[in-house]
Amino acid sequence: SQQGEEDPQALSIQEGENATMNCSYKTSINNLQWYRQNSGRGLVHLILIRSNEREKHSGRLRVTLDTSKKSSSLLITASRAADTASYFCATDGYSGAGSYQLTFGKGTKLSVIP
Amino acid sequence: DTGVSQNPRHKITKRGQNVTFRCDPISEHNRLYWYRQTLGQGPEFLTYFQNEAQLEKSRLLSDRFSAERPKGSFSTLEIQRTEQGDSAMYLCASTSPVRQGITYEQYFGPGTRLTVT
Repeated sequence: SQQGEEDPQALSIQEGENATMNCSYKTSINNLQWYRQNSGRGLVHLILIRSNEREKHSGRLRVTLDTSKKSSSLLITASRAADTASYFCATDGYSGAGSYQLTFGKGTKLSVIP
Repeated sequence: DTGVSQNPRHKITKRGQNVTFRCDPISEHNRLYWYRQTLGQGPEFLTYFQNEAQLEKSRLLSDRFSAERPKGSFSTLEIQRTEQGDSAMYLCASTSPVRQGITYEQYFGPGTRLTVT
């Protein structure tokens, strides 16, 4: 079952604008991660934020985490056409069997128009 | 290339046939995961290996599915008597050992796209 829910499901912006995607989840987590997936390809890890962190930056990416609201946001600044992809949030939590499997949302499809 | 590799990249098969996919993880990663992704959805967990031991299986993994990781290196996922509902992207991921309760990002392979006709 999907734990995270991304919002919006689709987002279209002009190159140079900022893109913000939100993620909500249901159960307690160890980490929250964001991944990017270009059409028909594997997932690329973008950023990991631990449950005791509130904000993290990596290049043009900024991620926030609010564990009290069980939500996270991903901000991509100064977007480029190459940022066009689907973005997924994923949570990991101890399952009891030691897997720390990732539970993904359905993703936000971002289109950056040149 | 030292990333996660998967073979084949694409597989078209007729309903009822058996298929096998292979995943080669990053060499120092002892944890390996299989996920399935259908169109418009995020990946869903199928099964997990720590070294050669299969420690967790999702309820999505019916008895037609079997996975192995002999010697704790590469892994195979076999689907017997394929059905049209098995059509999906099958993703493999690997990651470093958990240390002091700290987990790490997962590295995904390019996936195997299965089409059952």
